[in-house]
Amino acid sequence: GAVVSQHPSRVICKSGTSVKIECRSLDFQATTMFWYRQFPKQSLMLMATSNEGSKATYEQGVEKDKFLINHASLTLSTLTVTSAHPEDSSFYICSASGGLAGGIYTDTQYFGPGTRLTVL
Amino acid sequence: EDKVVQSPLSLVVHEGDTVTLNCSYEVTNFRSLLWYKQEKKAPTFLFMLTSSGIEKKSGRLSSILDKKELFSILNITATQTGDSAIYLCAVSLRSGGSNYKLTFGKGTLLTVNP
Repeated sequence: GAVVSQHPSRVICKSGTSVKIECRSLDFQATTMFWYRQFPKQSLMLMATSNEGSKATYEQGVEKDKFLINHASLTLSTLTVTSAHPEDSSFYICSASGGLAGGIYTDTQYFGPGTRLTVL
Repeated sequence: EDKVVQSPLSLVVHEGDTVTLNCSYEVTNFRSLLWYKQEKKAPTFLFMLTSSGIEKKSGRLSSILDKKELFSILNITATQTGDSAIYLCAVSLRSGGSNYKLTFGKGTLLTVNP
């Protein structure tokens, strides 16, 4: 249980283009989804938190207009990197949390396999 | 500022050894502490700890939380080469309303040699 998928797993794009990454919870309803970024040999840095049906909450220093997040349903969130530049190249990971479980909110986040973005 | 500090940052052992990984934290609005294992891709969940002194166990892995001293340990007994990975400690913090977020430590890179 608690499987999260991400698509694509790897993407290479030209500078100036936009890239969309999808995150899906396959066997549970994700009331909250999180987007992280990870640089080589560094830990995960939270970019934003999104609740289904509402606007994402971005962490300090993360540009809302550059990293568009949509959480349209309880099983799907998307991250769009707009006008990508080489410095946006990174490993992007989503996670999902099911919120209510057995009457108790659970903070366990289940991670997708990640998307490696390379901007040329 | 919320901080999660893991030690050691890296560790090399031989198969069969027992290892202890440490995680200390200084945060506000603590909810729980989680351990993840990260191999080549994204982290996989190991444990979530909310109460002090209650050991969680899964096979050769176990973990315990001390909320008074603000730390947790992850033990791995009889290590195998497949245990080689980065082990991440994360603290779940309330971030407003019913929302929360995870703050991660830098991780411990464990290498188990045959």
